[in-house]
Amino acid sequence: DTAVSQTPKYLVTQMGNDKSIKCEQNLGHDTMYWYKQDSKKFLKIMFSYNNKELIINETVPNRFSPKSPDKAHLNLHINSLELGDSAVYFCASSQAGVRIGYGYTFGSGTRLTVV
Amino acid sequence: GQQVMQIPQYQHVQEGEDFTTYCNSSTTLSNIQWYKQRPGGHPVFLIQLVKSGEVKKQKRLTFQFGEAKKNSSLHITATQTTDVGTYFCAGLDSGGSNYKLTFGKGTLLTVNP
Repeated sequence: DTAVSQTPKYLVTQMGNDKSIKCEQNLGHDTMYWYKQDSKKFLKIMFSYNNKELIINETVPNRFSPKSPDKAHLNLHINSLELGDSAVYFCASSQAGVRIGYGYTFGSGTRLTVV
Repeated sequence: GQQVMQIPQYQHVQEGEDFTTYCNSSTTLSNIQWYKQRPGGHPVFLIQLVKSGEVKKQKRLTFQFGEAKKNSSLHITATQTTDVGTYFCAGLDSGGSNYKLTFGKGTLLTVNP
């Protein structure tokens, strides 16, 4: 059983389109995250949700809108895609934030290519 | 804001040689975590360090947390080809959000068999 699953794995789309990425975790974790990894492998946090509540919104353009229908799911919708949005997007989850001492469990990533 | 710097960016070694990557934070950390990402894969949690001066070992991997809780290192003894990947440190700012782990830019390790 996959602990954190993301779909789709690959996404190729044209500039200006709207697309969504879905994430689900079956670990019973309270907190979920979206990270963006650029071509230089830099992992940058975008959003963090704890029990469906938005905790971190890291100055991400308004075109990116996360949604957490329940604590096991965190989706990411992107409007008006731009070339610079091309990256690998990772979903992750953890038990109640980091301070308690649990590492993140990452999904396998969604490679988004905007052409 | 908090910055986590990691060096070197790349390291190429011969199999059997040792490898070390260093991590420095601009702020005092509550804890630091290390992750490994294989080529084409996703980051996988290795370990967390919490206490000042803490040293932890996992087989050939040794992790250290500095006394001031602003730096950390990962040392691999006698590298193997299976060690290939990017190693990331990630720090939690002691004065910051519980939910914001800041990653270093990673060190890509390649091993020549």
